[in-house]
Amino acid sequence: QLQLQESGPGLVKPSETLSLTCTVSGGSISSSSYYWGWIRQPPGKGLEWIGSIYYSGSTYYNPSLKSRVTISVDTSKNQFSLKLSSVTAADTAVYYCARRPRYSGYNLAIDYWGQGTLVTVSS
Amino acid sequence: DIQMTQSPSSLSASVGDRVTITCRASQGISNYLAWFQQKPGKAPKSLIYAASSLQSGVPSKFSGSGSGTDFTLTISSLQPEDFATYYCQQYNSYPHTFGQGTKLEIK
Repeated sequence: QLQLQESGPGLVKPSETLSLTCTVSGGSISSSSYYWGWIRQPPGKGLEWIGSIYYSGSTYYNPSLKSRVTISVDTSKNQFSLKLSSVTAADTAVYYCARRPRYSGYNLAIDYWGQGTLVTVSS
Repeated sequence: DIQMTQSPSSLSASVGDRVTITCRASQGISNYLAWFQQKPGKAPKSLIYAASSLQSGVPSKFSGSGSGTDFTLTISSLQPEDFATYYCQQYNSYPHTFGQGTKLEIK
């Protein structure tokens, strides 16, 4: 059974960089069959797509965050990571990692989510 | 960016009812539309992909339809565990935007 688990600091100071890791178990992150992505949800609000990465390293970012976001993959650890720079209180949210299958000729959406981790931006 | 608009924003219904939630895209997205269910304090759960295909393990009481710009999620025979917030998401083009959510509450 595939599992995704987010980890990282729960508190980040304003202007610093938020760093989170998603560890994938029960499946290989190196598979050509999946995209790996990040979504966030501010307290009491809706979902916002941050970006995703393919195992080859190709990345896709939300333009609203693009100047501050970096998503990377570490195949040796079966993990992928999110870095968000110059954070403000508006970046306070639950951050989720997720998987979206990619099979040629098939139209597939996110199928697995991590449990989420709350990151608070405060001094 | 493609804007996704859900209606209604909230909905009250009774156990046993059938309800329909609508999602409208600001431009055509073919059938690249997913639906998710989220309960308080929990991660979203994937329900439907390609507008009408059920994810593995999702009961057939959930059904989706639509193509282009207008989509619906229908839940039949509501049970207590179905009361949650539902989100649509388009994945036709980047960024993959979500609707604002529809909160389904018990009447």
